Amino acid sequence: TQLLEQSPQFLSIQEGENLTVYCNSSSVFSSLQWYRQEPGEGPVLLVTVVTGGEVKKLKRLTFQFGDARKDSSLHITAAQPGDTGLYLCAAYNNNDMRFGAGTRLTVKP
Amino acid sequence: NAGVTQTPKFQVLKTGQSMTLQCAQDMNHEYMSWYRQDPGMGLRLIHYSVGAGITDQGEVPNGYNVSRSTTEDFPLRLLSAAPSQTSVYFCASSAWLYNEQFFGPGTRLTVL
Repeated sequence: TQLLEQSPQFLSIQEGENLTVYCNSSSVFSSLQWYRQEPGEGPVLLVTVVTGGEVKKLKRLTFQFGDARKDSSLHITAAQPGDTGLYLCAAYNNNDMRFGAGTRLTVKP
Repeated sequence: NAGVTQTPKFQVLKTGQSMTLQCAQDMNHEYMSWYRQDPGMGLRLIHYSVGAGITDQGEVPNGYNVSRSTTEDFPLRLLSAAPSQTSVYFCASSAWLYNEQFFGPGTRLTVL
């Protein structure tokens, strides 16, 4: 059983559509991070959320941390082919960081 | 700054062989870690270090050894490679716990 459960596992949409991916856990976290990984490369940090209920925006990406700090969502508005990639959520479990299995997003032109 | 570098980029081993994956960072980061990435499993933590001379086990440490003699370097050793260790390995560093992790480009390892 993974500490962080991400859904959906795969998502294929057309350019211009909106989408939301989720990261859920039964544990409470002091902070949660979202990374994006492109093929053949390591993950790159998109955002860190710290406060329960916090909403952060990064251009067309909106990140929300649940009030209870157990879950988070990533919403993309008007998706573009450049958004294609693996989206990973991650959180510290004591001194080590744990990752979810990721959502693989494909945006078709 | 080169950031986090990993060598080699690709490696093929036979079962039972040993090898060392190299990782170095030039950002003076205290925290370094090794992950393996398998399809459908995300990234799983193998070992991590909170500073020179200090290492600890992560989620999947069996079959791997690490050491941290300097702040810059964090090599990962496979003592006797097994096909189950076929994976993509990523090294990462961060200034400290809870900070952004910077990842290397990865090493794709195949064990026959």
